[in-house]
Formats: sequence, structure tokens, C-alpha cells
Amino acid sequence: DAGITQSPRHKVTETGTPVTLRCHQTENHRYMYWYRQDPGHGLRLIHYSYGVKDTDKGEVSDGYSVSRSKTEDFLLTLESATSSQTSVYFCAISDTGAGANVLTFGAGSRLTVL
Amino acid sequence: GQSLEQPSEVTAVEGAIVQINCTYQTSGFYGLSWYQQHDGGAPTFLSYNALDGLEETGRFSSFLSRSDSYGYLLLQELQMKDSASYFCAVEDNYGQNFVFGPGTRLSVLP
Repeated sequence: DAGITQSPRHKVTETGTPVTLRCHQTENHRYMYWYRQDPGHGLRLIHYSYGVKDTDKGEVSDGYSVSRSKTEDFLLTLESATSSQTSVYFCAISDTGAGANVLTFGAGSRLTVL
Repeated sequence: GQSLEQPSEVTAVEGAIVQINCTYQTSGFYGLSWYQQHDGGAPTFLSYNALDGLEETGRFSSFLSRSDSYGYLLLQELQMKDSASYFCAVEDNYGQNFVFGPGTRLSVLP
């Protein structure tokens, strides 16, 4: 199994507070992603990274920022959490094997904003 | 815009065959993937098609028609453990953006 861990796994916070979710990989993969999953919407890309200090926005990036200072760590920050950011957040890494870019997901971080 | 469509729910009995369709409209296309997700779990990779045709992996097969912007996942010899949500995903720019469909919830009945 690819080594990818997310922390925290569960968090409850209040509106207006900052929140940082951490994704850590041990696979030395170049690409890392943050998705959010909400009922009826599947997985939606928030931000992705293609290398240290190289990041770009995804489909639903408003209200989120990311940082990648080391290959193994990709941080997702909610500067001022809102109730609409209550969701399950998945980090993923991609690996190219047999010609396919395969996403491997972390276990997810469930965030509740009250 | 980018959009993928899948049926929201499918129900079948153990031992049966079920097909889950996916149509897509994206700005680019490098491949169509399928992921399985059990309740409370993370999505896991099942299959990938970059070229037209059928790819077979055990009980699961996936098909792609790029001219029709269409693909499907075929699950054979259904087992109770196949009850899960299934997502199609288009890689619309190499390694940069994977666009997911809304998911199809498969219920396998005894």
C-alpha cells in the first residue's frame, strides 16, 4: 500500500477559525491533490501540487490555500472556516504505472464547521 | 464546462452482471478511470482506459468509446462485498486534473 496519511482524521471547529489539514506521503510522488467529497457531488478538486512550492487551483479553490515545502507534505488551510466547508477531505497522490495515472487516496479527514 | 454523468443508484442480485455507465464532457481527455468506495472508506482504483475498447481485470471490465465520450464499468458474478459507490473520473490534463462523476451507489441483494 502507498504510504499516505492524513491528519487529523476528525475535527470539529467553529465558524471563523483557521484549520489546517495535513497530508503526508512516503512514496516520493511528485503530484499531490486535495479533494472534498459531498453527497451528490462526487469528489471535487480543491488544489493540487506538481512539486515543492508548485501548486495550482482546482475546481473549488475559493476559501482554501495550500502549501508544499517538502515533497512528502501537502497542507490544506482554511483561513476562516465556514459551514459550507463542512465536508470530508481526501488527499491523494498519483503514480504512473502501466501507462495509467492512478490516484491513491488517504483515509480522509472529516471536518465539521459549526 | 466539465461534467460527468452516472446513474445515481443501481440494484442487482448476487451472481448477476451489472453495467454502470458514464458519459463525460471535459476540456481535455487523457483517460477514463473507475474507483470504488465503500461507506466510510477512501476511493480505491479499479480500472483505466486511455484507448477505445474493453479492459478486463478479473470480475471487473471497463469500456471506453472516445468518439461517444462514453464509458462503462461491467461487474460480473456480483458479490455482497461489491456493494459500494463507483465513480468514473476523467484525467483531463496529464497528471493535473482528475474530474470525478457524482458516483453510482450499487446495492447487491442476496
